[in-house]
Amino acid sequence: KQEVTQIPAALSVPEGENLVLNCSFTDSAIYNLQWFRQDPGKGLTSLLLIQSSQREQTSGRLNASLDKSSGRSTLYIAASQPGDSATYLCALLPNAGGTSYGKLTFGQGTILTVHP
Amino acid sequence: SQTIHQWPATLVQPVGSPLSLECTVEGTSNPNLYWYRQAAGRGLQLLFYSVGIGQISSEVPQNLSASRPQDRQFILSSKKLLLSDSGFYLCAWRTQGAIFGYTFGSGTRLTVV
Repeated sequence: KQEVTQIPAALSVPEGENLVLNCSFTDSAIYNLQWFRQDPGKGLTSLLLIQSSQREQTSGRLNASLDKSSGRSTLYIAASQPGDSATYLCALLPNAGGTSYGKLTFGQGTILTVHP
Repeated sequence: SQTIHQWPATLVQPVGSPLSLECTVEGTSNPNLYWYRQAAGRGLQLLFYSVGIGQISSEVPQNLSASRPQDRQFILSSKKLLLSDSGFYLCAWRTQGAIFGYTFGSGTRLTVV
């Protein structure tokens, strides 16, 4: 059974810092890995999607990496801003013989607070 | 472009009352559709998924049911709500067989009183 762990559970940083959020998983047979952002009381916004054959993806100040052999993914946020404050979730889609109905396994999330 | 609509945004219902939450997707056809629930301190749990009209699979036994009467419409229902049904309900879609990721709706906050 796939288990996903996100560390730290909460993080508070001053504005302008670069930071790293960690996601580890127990089963390397994944189809892809997706990072989401969730603002309080809102739905999930997709940030980055990494296919199992890829090592990293970048979007603006965000960079996500994937290392299947070690069961780890990191989300790097450069020059953090107060608007980055949210809960960040990583989620894995399993590779069930090349096809999958797409049940995501989520981590518990990292609550990020960026203070001015 | 593809969009997903979910309503209502918030709902307060008494115990024993019925429930109907609706989700519709635009700009795509034959999507996989999902209902997730996010309970406080428990993360996101998959409740139902559907790979086509009338095809519903349940992940966990519960007081809820789902239906897909049209290709891009997914409905979550209950005949009699329980206090434990309170939570944040999220609808999501994903293109079948593609390399793309999930897209989530804005969610419905359900409070059963």
